[in-house]
Amino acid sequence: GENVEQHPSTLSVQEGDSAVIKCTYSDSASNYFPWYKQELGKGPQLIIDIRSNVGEKKDQRIAVTLNKTAKHFSLHITETQPEDSAVYFCAASWNSGYALNFGKGTSLLVTP
Amino acid sequence: DSGVTQTPKHLITATGQRVTLRCSPRSGDLSVYWYQQSLDQGLQFLIQYYNGEERAKGNILERFSAQQFPDLHSELNLSSLELGDSALYFCASSVGGGLAEQFFGPGTRLTVL
Repeated sequence: GENVEQHPSTLSVQEGDSAVIKCTYSDSASNYFPWYKQELGKGPQLIIDIRSNVGEKKDQRIAVTLNKTAKHFSLHITETQPEDSAVYFCAASWNSGYALNFGKGTSLLVTP
Repeated sequence: DSGVTQTPKHLITATGQRVTLRCSPRSGDLSVYWYQQSLDQGLQFLIQYYNGEERAKGNILERFSAQQFPDLHSELNLSSLELGDSALYFCASSVGGGLAEQFFGPGTRLTVL
């Protein structure tokens, strides 16, 4: 089955700096890669996703890049703010309508 | 607020007992997914239903079962509970089909004592 590795497990940045989280996947058939943000006591919230037919997608301060050849994808958060502090999960799936295989998560702390 | 609701929010029970977790998907969503989140295993897919029919199974124990009703709400039944079943259980929903994002509910925290 699909195996998703996520790094780093913890990340601390200063407010205004950029944060990058990287994931690799094993199944070359995977073609949908969402990123979720989970705040304490809440469910995961979809923040951005990318499909295999594109290499990059951007939404304001958040961007995701995908390298299908190398089987890795990354989340980039620019101009970080304290409210960005949360656990971020990457996931991979054969298709968005199917089961998601999650990475272990990255705990991001943005200090003022 | 994702529009997915789950009840109860917290559940405390004893080993050997049986519990039922309930999920109501977003209005119009046909697919429901159940995930388990624990510290050691992370977020793991359990089972998916689409319009009342089981569509996919993941790492779901035989002691666990689920169903989706005609009104599209879903229930996850956990029986013969063990200490290791203590976890957060999330339900997610999507419109269904190949290009549908999954939206997660707030979860049910199960504690087995």
